[in-house]
Amino acid sequence: DVKVTQSSRYLVKRTGEKVFLECVQDMDHENMFWYRQDPGLGLRLIYFSYDVKMKEKGDIPEGYSVSREKKERFSLILESASTNQTSMYLCATLLMGKKAFFGQGTRLTVV
Amino acid sequence: AQTVTQSQPEMSVQEAETVTLSCTYDTSESDYYLFWYKQPPSRQMILVIRQEAYKQQNATENRFSVNFQKAAKSFSLKISDSQLGDAAMYFCAYRSARSGTSYGKLTFGQGTILTVHP
Repeated sequence: DVKVTQSSRYLVKRTGEKVFLECVQDMDHENMFWYRQDPGLGLRLIYFSYDVKMKEKGDIPEGYSVSREKKERFSLILESASTNQTSMYLCATLLMGKKAFFGQGTRLTVV
Repeated sequence: AQTVTQSQPEMSVQEAETVTLSCTYDTSESDYYLFWYKQPPSRQMILVIRQEAYKQQNATENRFSVNFQKAAKSFSLKISDSQLGDAAMYFCAYRSARSGTSYGKLTFGQGTILTVHP
């Protein structure tokens, strides 16, 4: 089965820090996604990528950027972390015509 | 833009009983997919069931079935013979069937926490 690995399950960062959340997949999936999960709001799409070096904004991109230098790795970057970015972050991948696969999430706390 | 709404923040059911989780959505597209995902405390998102909009027949996966009403834009999940392991957060999700760079984008509802009482 496809494995989607997020680099950390829990992360605590200080306000103003630059934060990198990494997502690695072990299959050749073109599409990768970063979602943010908050109580009462469900999952909301931050950014996605459909190929190496290609990216598109999702519904809530403000305060975030992404990088996809290799097909298997998709990084979410918080340029200057703020307390309102405290949340659960989920990475997902998709092969055309197949189902989506999710990582186990990174719970980020910004203090 | 598509929206998905789950109006039940929490639901509970007795073990072995049946429970129905509600979901409504809004879209101007005619071809799309609808999903129910389960997220247990481990946080791993698990696909429970999938429905193609062009299919009139409701999808079924063992104890899980859906009631898909395309005209009403309603997509409810029925869990029969509930088990303790069904306790989780359940998300309804929409995905367009259109190809293109945004292929695979999922729009999620707010989630419903299901508690199963022994």
